[in-house]
Amino acid sequence: GAGVSQSPSNKVTEKGKDVELRCDPISGHTALYWYRQRLGQGLEFLIYFQGNSAPDKSGLPSDRFSAERTGESVSTLTIQRTQQEDSAVYLCASSLQAGAGANVLTFGAGSRLTVL
Amino acid sequence: GESVGLHLPTLSVQEGDNSIINCAYSNSASDYFIWYKQESGKGPQFIIDIRSNMDKRQGQRVTVLLNKTVKHLSLQIAATQPGDSAVYFCAENRAGGTSYGKLTFGQGTILTVHP
Repeated sequence: GAGVSQSPSNKVTEKGKDVELRCDPISGHTALYWYRQRLGQGLEFLIYFQGNSAPDKSGLPSDRFSAERTGESVSTLTIQRTQQEDSAVYLCASSLQAGAGANVLTFGAGSRLTVL
Repeated sequence: GESVGLHLPTLSVQEGDNSIINCAYSNSASDYFIWYKQESGKGPQFIIDIRSNMDKRQGQRVTVLLNKTVKHLSLQIAATQPGDSAVYFCAENRAGGTSYGKLTFGQGTILTVHP
């Protein structure tokens, strides 16, 4: 597609349930990021995939969070046993991997997660 | 570590004024410095970048200045318009290591333009 697609756009879940958020990056973009953004706050880095290299998971806040990426395409962010503090917008972005192209991230519209 | 924004700093300006948004960075090894704009309800969008061997770069109504001596980056917006109201993030593209090409975002600044 022309842009980064995320689904679902909105998810309301009960505390303790697992959720999966999906990201379809731009075709040909080898780098993919997940960020979390709480209301009125900045971008909290979660995980970074670059090509076939091991992902940078240094931003994942706890072992309840995990992410996978199939080759250089779809990525899924999974949050297990959701807590109320997980409520946020989860943003996915993709870019070319290296050089100046890596500066231009294309973000999706985000998945808004509400944990009741 | 990564930046986690809390209580973002704010800047209020009148329409037509020039705006200057500032950012401090810590990694002297960064190859590029970048500015993003995030409008309400949307993901951030790329505005402009500057390579580390430059000190100034101009775009349409925007100028980015890089002062490597004091590790300071700024975004100047000329003749600010209400449509410029948004959150502005600076970012660094850090070279080397296992996270080559990974962008790291700064805290963000809320710009409000009053008509």
